[in-house]
Amino acid sequence: GAVVSQHPSWVICKSGTSVKIECRSLDFQATTMFWYRQFPKQSLMLMATSNEGSKATYEQGVEKDKFLINHASLTLSTLTVTSAHPEDSSFYICSASGLPTAEAFFGQGTRLTVV
Amino acid sequence: GESVGLHLPTLSVQEGDNSIINCAYSNSASDYFIWYKQESGKGPQFIIDIRSNMDKRQGQRVTVLLNKTVKHLSLQIAATQPGDSAVYFCAEKSGTASKLTFGTGTRLQVTL
Repeated sequence: GAVVSQHPSWVICKSGTSVKIECRSLDFQATTMFWYRQFPKQSLMLMATSNEGSKATYEQGVEKDKFLINHASLTLSTLTVTSAHPEDSSFYICSASGLPTAEAFFGQGTRLTVV
Repeated sequence: GESVGLHLPTLSVQEGDNSIINCAYSNSASDYFIWYKQESGKGPQFIIDIRSNMDKRQGQRVTVLLNKTVKHLSLQIAATQPGDSAVYFCAEKSGTASKLTFGTGTRLQVTL
């Protein structure tokens, strides 16, 4: 299958700082990228859907100003956690697909710890 | 709202036995289903998928069964191996919608 690379795989940051997570499709053009959040021993919760060149669509309850998503090219989407707090500590996972109905491929995830 | 859920949170099987992981979904409009395997600290890995016009699909050591009448999905793993130990999620989507809805997950533990 296609490869989606997520970077960094883990990050520790101080409370109040911002953290950027990158999601890249390495061998295909991703028209749509998805960002998920996963708490320990829980399922993946969709945060937002981003289409290249347009604003992201956020799920209900997800703060747009807190979780900034940029999808400026067909191979890169970024998630920036602004003014991070300990409760933002979580496992963040992206996925990408070439077409809306196509299979989505997942990145390896980013473990964010806010101290 | 619509949801996809699993019956068993943890399943323990002996190496070499067959495993069956179940999933119930509630969205009758769902027409595409996927099973994912997630190992600790990693992203989900695609295992097998099935469309609603089928009721069975086989892969290498895995089989997915779909019963649309009772909105039930299952993943069968033959000759379970230690490397199969992980959390398994079912996911679904409907029509041209691009986003997936994930079930709650089942942890598969393979004992020697």
